Amino acid sequence: SQQGEEDPQALSIQEGENATMNCSYKTSINNLQWYRQNSGRGLVHLILIRSNEREKHSGRLRVTLDTSKKSSSLLITASRAADTASYFCAGRSAGSYQLTFGKGTKLSVIP
Amino acid sequence: DTGVSQDPRHKITKRGQNVTFRCDPISEHNRLYWYRQTLGQGPEFLTYFQNEAQLEKSRLLSDRFSAERPKGSFSTLEIQRTEQGDSAMYLCASSLKADYEQYFGPGTRLTVT
Repeated sequence: SQQGEEDPQALSIQEGENATMNCSYKTSINNLQWYRQNSGRGLVHLILIRSNEREKHSGRLRVTLDTSKKSSSLLITASRAADTASYFCAGRSAGSYQLTFGKGTKLSVIP
Repeated sequence: DTGVSQDPRHKITKRGQNVTFRCDPISEHNRLYWYRQTLGQGPEFLTYFQNEAQLEKSRLLSDRFSAERPKGSFSTLEIQRTEQGDSAMYLCASSLKADYEQYFGPGTRLTVT
């Protein structure tokens, strides 16, 4: 079963705009990780946020976590065509070593 | 390159054949994970190793699947008597500690004909 559920499933924006993707999860987590995947390639780790953190930044990325709502968001500011990819959230539940992924958000950035 | 590596990158096999994939984790990482990803889906967990011990297995890992990590370094995933439903991308990841980032390799794409 899937832990994370990303929303929207697909997003198309113009270069320079901001992109926001949301993730909801079902069970309590120790941490939540965001990944990027270009078509047919491996996953690139973007950011990890722990259950006791509310917000983290990395370059143009901003991730928030609301454990009371079991949700997270990923904001990419000033998007570039190279940001075109699928984005996944993955939660690590307490007592488990695995990450449980959602189906991802497919982001298209139009030059 | 100090990232996770996987070999081969692509494998085409006929139904019923056995296949084996290899994963080399980041050198100081003693935790290693296997996942499977089918088209349009997120990765699904298969199994987890801490050093050479296999500590967690998914029910997706049927008795045709076996994974080893004999010396706590590289790992192999073997699929026996492959079926068309085994066609997927097999991803390996490693982490320094259980609650740290999992870094993924490029994957092995398996096609069963």
